[in-house]
Amino acid sequence: QLQLQESGPGLVKPSETLSLTCTVSGASISTSAYYWAWIRQPPGRGLEWIGTVYYNGDTYYNPSLNSRVTISVDTSRDQFSLRLSSVTAADTAVFYCARHGTMIRGGFDSWGQGSLATVSS
Amino acid sequence: QSALTQPRSVSGSPGQSVTISCTGTRSDVGTYNFVSWYQQHPGKVPKLMIYAVSERPSGVPDRFSGSKSGNTASLTISGLQADDEADYYCCSYAGSYTHVVFGGGTRLTVL
Repeated sequence: QLQLQESGPGLVKPSETLSLTCTVSGASISTSAYYWAWIRQPPGRGLEWIGTVYYNGDTYYNPSLNSRVTISVDTSRDQFSLRLSSVTAADTAVFYCARHGTMIRGGFDSWGQGSLATVSS
Repeated sequence: QSALTQPRSVSGSPGQSVTISCTGTRSDVGTYNFVSWYQQHPGKVPKLMIYAVSERPSGVPDRFSGSKSGNTASLTISGLQADDEADYYCCSYAGSYTHVVFGGGTRLTVL
């Protein structure tokens, strides 16, 4: 059974870089059928897609975050990672990793439990 | 401001039907049949309820159905149950530049 698990620091200082890792278990991240995404949800607010990585390293980013986001994949560890630079309090959110197919045609069908990252000094 | 527009809230009584709309543009909902819907209970992980406009994943009751007309997609929940009370989000593929857009979410209250 596929499982995704986010990990990373729960507290980040303003202007620093937020780093999170998603570990995939129960299936290989190196499958041509799926893509791997980061989605965030600020407290009390809606969902926002951050970006997606394919097993071969291709990346796709939300244009509104593109200048601050880097997503990478480590197929040897079945992990993919998010780096969000120059964070502010507005970046405080629960960050989810999720899986989807081509063009999101099958939706985000598997999600991690979420990791709260708070930006505060 | 979210790319897809949903009503902030809807409500219905047990047994009734409710419909949640999701309005986008020709760049997303209007062009692609890749609209999905998610249910999120407070403090919980979003759950996929509908994909490809009207397809249900295994395990999702057939009380949940999806449709699309023009730039607007809709989620209909029939035979409302107390456990349906949750936030619902729509999502659409939006092409090779924007890629993915979500709606702002709709709070469903079962009266």
